[in-house]
Amino acid sequence: GEDVEQSLFLSVREGDSSVINCTYTDSSSTYLYWYKQEPGAGLQLLTYIFSNMDMKQDQRLTVLLNKKDKHLSLRIADTQTGDSAIYFCAEKRASNYQLIWGAGTKLIIKP
Amino acid sequence: DGGITQSPKYLFRKEGQNVTLSCEQNLNHDAMYWYRQDPGQGLRLIYYSQIVNDFQKGDIAEGYSVSREKKESFPLTVTSAQKNPTAFYLCATSDGGYTFGSGTRLTVV
Repeated sequence: GEDVEQSLFLSVREGDSSVINCTYTDSSSTYLYWYKQEPGAGLQLLTYIFSNMDMKQDQRLTVLLNKKDKHLSLRIADTQTGDSAIYFCAEKRASNYQLIWGAGTKLIIKP
Repeated sequence: DGGITQSPKYLFRKEGQNVTLSCEQNLNHDAMYWYRQDPGQGLRLIYYSQIVNDFQKGDIAEGYSVSREKKESFPLTVTSAQKNPTAFYLCATSDGGYTFGSGTRLTVV
């Protein structure tokens, strides 16, 4: 199929790590992205990974890419209340450079 | 500051009316996009424009129209032919990476 798939919800305790998973469909996708959306706002680019990489780390964020399984994950270390948002995974198709979006994972932080 | 301005933030439309959502950018990006966001769904592409005076239909263009007369501006008109227009509309630009506006929430009353 054409879908990028994500779980709709993830609930974690403050201070724990959050791992948000995504599966995509096009093995020739060039870039894979993670965007964050806070309530009532637009999307903010968090991080991205090029398809020939398998890991990228940026402060509290770690992106892992398993190209064989077409699986992407975003790990947020020491999750804070400010991390509460919807996280979108997107793949950039090599064929037309369009972004294909997942439905978004709502991250809920428990005190 | 460079960025994308979407206006208005909230818009109410009566049945049978056309409404126009504004998107202005000062990032000097060639490509501009309109997406629709519904709860529990990913972003769906309505229209996009790679260059001034040219635009293409996205996945859900029916009931919408756009124009791209200036590089900075890419307005979206939601016509009366769009049967379920209540949604959150996002404009984006791209020079490789994507930058988003803060969105317009359209409600049919």
